[in-house]
This record gives sequence, C-alpha cells and structure tokens, in this order.
Amino acid sequence: DIVMTQSPDSLAVSLGERATINCKSSQSVLDSSSNKNYLGWYQQKPGQPPKLLIQWASTRESGVPDRFTGSGSGTDFTLTISSLQAEDVAVYYCLQYYSIPRTFGQGTKVEIK
Amino acid sequence: EVQLVESGGGLIQPGGSLRLSCAASGFMFINAYMTWVRQAPGKGLEWVGRIKSNPDGGTTDYAAPVKGRFTISRDDSTNTLYLQMNSLRTADAAVYYCTTGHRFWGQGTLVTVSS
Repeated sequence: DIVMTQSPDSLAVSLGERATINCKSSQSVLDSSSNKNYLGWYQQKPGQPPKLLIQWASTRESGVPDRFTGSGSGTDFTLTISSLQAEDVAVYYCLQYYSIPRTFGQGTKVEIK
Repeated sequence: EVQLVESGGGLIQPGGSLRLSCAASGFMFINAYMTWVRQAPGKGLEWVGRIKSNPDGGTTDYAAPVKGRFTISRDDSTNTLYLQMNSLRTADAAVYYCTTGHRFWGQGTLVTVSS
C-alpha cells in the first residue's frame, strides 16, 4: 500500500498570510505514460463531506479560488493557500488514486493565528 | 446536479450486520465507478472500497480492514450503491460516505457499533 504522510499535522497562519501543506507518498504516484500525478487535495470543514480542491496534483476544480495551488510530482506534493481567509479554516487531506487501495494522508488542520 | 444520498446508518451491536444505501442522481450512474469512504469520529478519512461500472466488469476492491466482512454492490436499474457490512466491530464506527470519482460526495450516514 502507498503510505501518504502529510506535514505538519496542524498550522496556525495569520489572515492574509501563506499556508503551506506538504504531502509525501511512499512511492511515486506519477504515471509515466500519461505524465499525470494521481494525487488530489481535499478540504473538509466540520460536519461536512470532503470537498475536492485539486486533482492531478495541480488542476484546480471549477469554482475553487485561485489562492489554492497544488504543486509537486512523483512523491512530493504541496498545497499552498496564498492568502489565508477565514473561510479556509478546515482540515486538508491528500489522496493518492494511483493504486488500490486508495490512501489518504492523515490530515492537516489549518487555523487562524 | 450530482446528488448522492446515503442512508441505512444507525446503532448496531458488535457482531451485527447493516446495509447502507447510496441513492445517486444527476450523472450516468451506469458508467460510474463508485466508492465508499469512512471517517471515524474525530479521525481522518479511510478508503473502504470501490466497485467498477458493470460495463467495465463490475468488480470490487476492498481495504484490508474490511475485506471478507464488507460487500459493495450496485443496482444500475435504480441508481443505487450498497455497502453490506457484516461482523461489525467497534472499530467500524464511522460516518460512511459514498463518492463517485472522489469528486462528488454524499453527506454521509453514521454507523455506531456499541453494545
């Protein structure tokens, strides 16, 4: 199984400042034939289901604010919130969909400092 | 509009069985791979298993903790996904979500396993 490890487990950022979340996979999730990274980022607020923000490591979903950016390839990925807003307080998860079983990172809780 | 509505959760004793349903609408269910994901109270997301579309064979895959106890099935005539859960353990207590393509998610249904 591919193990997904996020860092940090939590972070507190001032409003308007940058938040950076890392996700490392135990093996590459890059498909060489398609040159696509099978990696997604999710935002989950209390009492709500996860919301897909980014797929293919860097493709923002329709309607997702452009302050959310996904980057990385292979085994190392980053979700950056360029200017944290109050509504961004949530837990963020990465997910690999390269192989079965799919596996999530443990989550990163983002709070306002 | 894609809608996924889970139902069937509740309180069940350890060792018992429960069947969850997920009613789907707003997309071509017959061609969709469908997945169950769960989340224990206060914990992270855990992939439970998936079923391919019937045109692609309709086969299933499961996470190790549920393999042999849980069965995923689908009824394309009613656009419904199922999760049959047997031999339930306290560790199975969670909100169970159905999702298609990990893109669209239902609101979840709560399963509590307790004596």
